[in-house]
Amino acid sequence: GENVEQHPSTLSVQEGDSAVIKCTYSDSASNYFPWYKQELGKRPQLIIDIRSNVGEKKDQRIAVTLNKTAKHFSLHITETQPEDSAVYFCAAIKRDNFNKFYFGSGTKLNVKP
Amino acid sequence: EADIYQTPRYLVIGTGKKITLECSQTMGHDKMYWYQQDPGMELHLIHYSYGVNSTEKGDLSSESTVSRIRTEHFPLTLESARPSHTSQYLCASSSGVRNQPQHFGDGTRLSIL
Repeated sequence: GENVEQHPSTLSVQEGDSAVIKCTYSDSASNYFPWYKQELGKRPQLIIDIRSNVGEKKDQRIAVTLNKTAKHFSLHITETQPEDSAVYFCAAIKRDNFNKFYFGSGTKLNVKP
Repeated sequence: EADIYQTPRYLVIGTGKKITLECSQTMGHDKMYWYQQDPGMELHLIHYSYGVNSTEKGDLSSESTVSRIRTEHFPLTLESARPSHTSQYLCASSSGVRNQPQHFGDGTRLSIL
Protein backbone atom coordinates (compact mmCIF):
# COMPACT_ATOMS: atom_id res chain seq x y z
CA GLY A 1 0.00 0.00 0.00
CA GLU A 2 0.89 3.67 0.10
CA ASN A 3 2.51 5.43 3.07
CA VAL A 4 2.37 9.21 3.37
CA GLU A 5 4.49 11.02 5.93
CA GLN A 6 3.89 14.68 6.76
CA HIS A 7 6.15 17.16 8.57
CA PRO A 8 6.13 19.11 10.75
CA SER A 9 3.27 18.10 13.01
CA THR A 10 3.03 21.67 14.35
CA LEU A 11 4.24 24.93 12.85
CA SER A 12 4.09 28.38 14.36
CA VAL A 13 4.88 31.45 12.25
CA GLN A 14 4.53 35.19 12.58
CA GLU A 15 1.89 36.90 10.46
CA GLY A 16 3.38 37.83 7.11
CA ASP A 17 5.99 35.07 7.14
CA SER A 18 5.95 32.03 4.85
CA ALA A 19 5.01 28.51 5.91
CA VAL A 20 6.11 25.26 4.27
CA ILE A 21 4.65 21.81 4.94
CA LYS A 22 6.29 18.74 3.44
CA CYS A 23 4.98 15.29 2.57
CA THR A 24 6.66 12.17 1.25
CA TYR A 25 4.98 9.15 -0.32
CA SER A 26 6.20 5.64 -0.98
CA ASP A 27 4.31 4.33 -4.01
CA SER A 28 5.50 5.57 -7.42
CA ALA A 29 2.03 4.69 -8.79
CA SER A 30 0.57 7.67 -6.90
CA ASN A 31 -0.23 10.46 -9.32
CA TYR A 32 -2.66 12.87 -7.65
CA PHE A 33 -1.83 14.97 -4.58
CA PRO A 34 -4.50 17.17 -2.96
CA TRP A 35 -4.11 19.39 0.09
CA TYR A 36 -6.90 20.00 2.58
CA LYS A 37 -7.37 22.69 5.22
CA GLN A 38 -9.45 21.93 8.30
CA GLU A 39 -10.39 24.82 10.55
CA LEU A 40 -11.42 24.13 14.13
CA GLY A 41 -14.82 22.43 14.20
CA LYS A 42 -15.17 22.48 10.41
CA ARG A 43 -14.96 19.95 7.60
CA PRO A 44 -11.70 19.44 5.64
CA GLN A 45 -11.76 21.63 2.54
CA LEU A 46 -9.69 21.16 -0.62
CA ILE A 47 -7.38 24.15 -1.08
CA ILE A 48 -5.11 23.05 -3.92
CA ASP A 49 -4.15 19.90 -5.78
CA ILE A 50 -1.49 18.78 -8.23
CA ARG A 51 -1.24 15.95 -10.73
CA SER A 52 1.94 14.08 -11.48
CA ASN A 53 2.40 15.61 -14.93
CA VAL A 54 2.94 19.04 -13.32
CA GLY A 55 5.83 20.19 -11.13
CA GLU A 56 4.28 23.27 -9.55
CA LYS A 57 0.91 24.93 -9.20
CA LYS A 58 0.00 28.29 -7.67
CA ASP A 59 -3.21 29.87 -6.49
CA GLN A 60 -2.73 33.34 -5.04
CA ARG A 61 -0.81 32.91 -1.76
CA ILE A 62 -0.61 29.13 -1.87
CA ALA A 63 1.52 26.89 -4.06
CA VAL A 64 2.30 23.22 -4.25
CA THR A 65 5.47 21.67 -5.66
CA LEU A 66 5.99 18.04 -6.62
CA ASN A 67 9.24 16.10 -7.04
CA LYS A 68 8.30 12.73 -8.51
CA THR A 69 11.86 11.41 -8.47
CA ALA A 70 12.26 12.04 -4.76
CA LYS A 71 8.57 11.23 -4.07
CA HIS A 72 7.85 14.35 -2.11
CA PHE A 73 5.52 17.30 -2.42
CA SER A 74 5.19 20.50 -0.43
CA LEU A 75 2.64 23.18 0.37
CA HIS A 76 3.88 26.76 0.46
CA ILE A 77 1.86 29.59 2.00
CA THR A 78 3.23 33.11 1.58
CA GLU A 79 2.26 36.25 3.51
CA THR A 80 0.49 34.19 6.14
CA GLN A 81 -2.55 35.64 7.88
CA PRO A 82 -4.25 34.62 11.16
CA GLU A 83 -7.09 33.04 9.15
CA ASP A 84 -4.55 30.57 7.71
CA SER A 85 -4.40 28.98 11.18
CA ALA A 86 -5.78 25.45 10.78
CA VAL A 87 -4.76 21.82 10.40
CA TYR A 88 -3.47 20.97 6.92
CA PHE A 89 -3.54 17.46 5.46
CA CYS A 90 -1.74 16.18 2.39
CA ALA A 91 -2.87 13.10 0.51
CA ALA A 92 -1.65 10.79 -2.24
CA ILE A 93 -3.89 8.83 -4.58
CA LYS A 94 -2.80 5.91 -6.72
CA ARG A 95 -3.31 5.60 -10.44
CA ASP A 96 -6.28 3.26 -10.31
CA ASN A 97 -10.04 3.40 -10.34
CA PHE A 98 -10.56 3.16 -6.62
CA ASN A 99 -9.71 6.74 -5.65
CA LYS A 100 -8.60 5.64 -2.21
CA PHE A 101 -6.92 8.52 -0.43
CA TYR A 102 -3.83 8.04 1.73
CA PHE A 103 -3.67 11.00 4.10
CA GLY A 104 -0.71 12.42 5.98
CA SER A 105 -1.03 12.82 9.73
CA GLY A 106 -1.69 16.55 9.55
CA THR A 107 0.15 19.80 10.39
CA LYS A 108 -1.28 22.27 12.86
CA LEU A 109 -0.37 25.74 11.61
CA ASN A 110 -0.59 28.65 14.03
CA VAL A 111 -0.15 32.15 12.59
CA LYS A 112 0.57 34.65 15.33
CA PRO A 113 -0.70 38.21 14.79
CA GLU B 1 -26.82 23.27 -3.91
CA ALA B 2 -24.91 20.02 -4.39
CA ASP B 3 -23.33 18.99 -1.12
CA ILE B 4 -22.76 16.15 1.32
CA TYR B 5 -24.95 16.12 4.42
CA GLN B 6 -24.44 14.38 7.74
CA THR B 7 -26.92 14.02 10.57
CA PRO B 8 -26.91 14.39 13.46
CA ARG B 9 -24.12 16.94 13.97
CA TYR B 10 -23.80 16.03 17.64
CA LEU B 11 -24.99 12.95 19.52
CA VAL B 12 -24.59 12.13 23.20
CA ILE B 13 -25.95 8.71 24.08
CA GLY B 14 -25.58 5.95 26.63
CA THR B 15 -23.59 2.75 26.39
CA GLY B 16 -25.27 -0.19 24.66
CA LYS B 17 -27.53 1.84 22.37
CA LYS B 18 -27.79 1.20 18.64
CA ILE B 19 -26.73 4.23 16.60
CA THR B 20 -27.05 5.09 12.94
CA LEU B 21 -25.12 8.04 11.52
CA GLU B 22 -26.62 9.35 8.30
CA CYS B 23 -24.71 10.53 5.25
CA SER B 24 -26.29 11.69 1.99
CA GLN B 25 -24.79 13.42 -1.00
CA THR B 26 -26.45 15.27 -3.86
CA MET B 27 -23.28 15.47 -5.95
CA GLY B 28 -23.98 12.38 -8.04
CA HIS B 29 -20.79 10.73 -6.80
CA ASP B 30 -20.16 6.99 -7.08
CA LYS B 31 -17.61 6.64 -4.29
CA MET B 32 -18.28 7.29 -0.61
CA TYR B 33 -16.13 7.00 2.50
CA TRP B 34 -16.30 7.09 6.29
CA TYR B 35 -13.43 8.44 8.38
CA GLN B 36 -12.94 8.49 12.13
CA GLN B 37 -11.10 11.54 13.46
CA ASP B 38 -10.36 12.81 16.93
CA PRO B 39 -10.53 16.64 16.68
CA GLY B 40 -7.57 18.03 14.73
CA MET B 41 -5.91 14.65 14.51
CA GLU B 42 -5.34 12.06 11.77
CA LEU B 43 -8.07 10.92 9.41
CA HIS B 44 -8.60 7.15 9.71
CA LEU B 45 -10.51 5.41 6.91
CA ILE B 46 -12.98 2.92 8.39
CA HIS B 47 -15.28 2.09 5.44
CA TYR B 48 -15.63 2.88 1.75
CA SER B 49 -17.90 2.07 -1.15
CA TYR B 50 -17.37 2.17 -4.91
CA GLY B 51 -21.05 2.06 -5.73
CA VAL B 52 -24.40 0.51 -4.87
CA ASN B 53 -24.08 -2.82 -3.02
CA SER B 54 -20.30 -2.43 -2.74
CA THR B 55 -18.70 -1.87 0.68
CA GLU B 56 -15.17 -2.44 1.95
CA LYS B 57 -13.47 -2.13 5.31
CA GLY B 58 -10.86 0.57 5.64
CA ASP B 59 -7.44 0.65 7.21
CA LEU B 60 -8.66 1.20 10.79
CA SER B 61 -10.56 -1.67 12.30
CA SER B 62 -14.01 -0.59 13.36
CA GLU B 63 -16.95 -2.32 15.01
CA SER B 64 -19.31 -0.29 12.85
CA THR B 65 -21.07 -1.51 9.70
CA VAL B 66 -22.23 0.32 6.58
CA SER B 67 -24.67 -0.22 3.73
CA ARG B 68 -25.02 1.26 0.24
CA ILE B 69 -28.47 0.54 -1.11
CA ARG B 70 -28.82 3.87 -2.91
CA THR B 71 -26.09 5.85 -4.65
CA GLU B 72 -26.69 8.95 -2.59
CA HIS B 73 -26.97 7.34 0.85
CA PHE B 74 -24.22 5.70 2.96
CA PRO B 75 -25.29 5.22 6.61
CA LEU B 76 -22.98 3.93 9.34
CA THR B 77 -24.34 1.80 12.18
CA LEU B 78 -23.01 0.88 15.60
CA GLU B 79 -25.05 -2.01 17.04
CA SER B 80 -23.98 -1.42 20.63
CA ALA B 81 -22.20 1.82 21.40
CA ARG B 82 -19.29 1.92 23.84
CA PRO B 83 -17.24 4.80 25.31
CA SER B 84 -14.34 3.79 23.02
CA HIS B 85 -16.54 4.81 20.06
CA THR B 86 -16.46 8.42 21.18
CA SER B 87 -14.99 10.39 18.28
CA GLN B 88 -15.86 12.47 15.23
CA TYR B 89 -17.10 10.63 12.15
CA LEU B 90 -16.63 12.29 8.76
CA CYS B 91 -18.35 11.16 5.58
CA ALA B 92 -16.85 11.96 2.16
CA SER B 93 -17.62 11.33 -1.49
CA SER B 94 -15.83 11.53 -4.82
CA SER B 95 -16.76 11.08 -8.46
CA GLY B 96 -16.06 7.95 -10.46
CA VAL B 97 -13.52 9.83 -12.56
CA ARG B 98 -9.88 9.20 -11.66
CA ASN B 99 -7.91 11.73 -9.66
CA GLN B 100 -10.75 13.82 -8.37
CA PRO B 101 -10.87 15.23 -4.85
CA GLN B 102 -12.96 13.92 -2.03
CA HIS B 103 -15.61 16.25 -0.61
CA PHE B 104 -16.36 16.03 3.09
CA GLY B 105 -19.47 16.49 5.15
CA ASP B 106 -19.54 18.51 8.39
CA GLY B 107 -19.16 15.38 10.50
CA THR B 108 -20.97 13.85 13.47
CA ARG B 109 -19.42 14.33 16.88
CA LEU B 110 -20.35 11.25 18.90
CA SER B 111 -20.05 10.95 22.67
CA ILE B 112 -20.87 7.68 24.40
CA LEU B 113 -21.42 7.95 28.12
